[in-house]
Amino acid sequence: GQNIDQPTEMTATEGAIVQINCTYQTSGFNGLFWYQQHAGEAPTFLSYNVLDGLEEKGRFSSFLSRSKGYSYLLLKELQMKDSASYLCAVRDRAGNNRKLIWGLGTSLAVNP
Amino acid sequence: EAGVTQFPSHSVIEKGQTVTLRCDPISGHDNLYWYRRVMGKEIKFLLHFVKESKQDESGMPNNRFLAERTGGTYSTLKVQPAELEDSGVYFCASNHQGAGYEQYFGPGTRLTVT
Repeated sequence: GQNIDQPTEMTATEGAIVQINCTYQTSGFNGLFWYQQHAGEAPTFLSYNVLDGLEEKGRFSSFLSRSKGYSYLLLKELQMKDSASYLCAVRDRAGNNRKLIWGLGTSLAVNP
Repeated sequence: EAGVTQFPSHSVIEKGQTVTLRCDPISGHDNLYWYRRVMGKEIKFLLHFVKESKQDESGMPNNRFLAERTGGTYSTLKVQPAELEDSGVYFCASNHQGAGYEQYFGPGTRLTVT
């Protein structure tokens, strides 16, 4: 079956660094996505990894290891506005099939 | 550029009634997706349109759900008759055909069936 696991909740302090892990078991793999979702709002795209390694984009970085079925999202210099749910999603097929398989999301609380 | 919009934002209906949700994708986006999140569960894929054609409808729960995208612009998702387990947040997303991977999401429609 298809399975994506991530921690349910995390807490961190403003200005600190936090790492949110995601492990996946899917029938295929064609890219891993991280989305941020504030309560009551649309999920917004943060990052995309399809090859092994680290992708850095400002305060946010995402890492992928395909052999281990593992990814993490790294948030640096945390700000209060980073309090949100972080969703890991995998595209399990290539070509025109674009559907995403989602984890439950990690609710991050940033405290002052 | 306007984002993906969805209407209504909230809908409360009784079991057995019909509800139609609407999604307006970003102008020019050929791909349109519907997803649903039931409380306590992960977001689940429902279906994918490329223009007016259904590319993948493998996630549609049953034949009480009907999605259309006439003319390849906006899409509607009709639930008839609604059941209690249909309650959840219905998200729509869109992106360009062949132009990338990021899906742009709308704010969702929260459907409550009582």
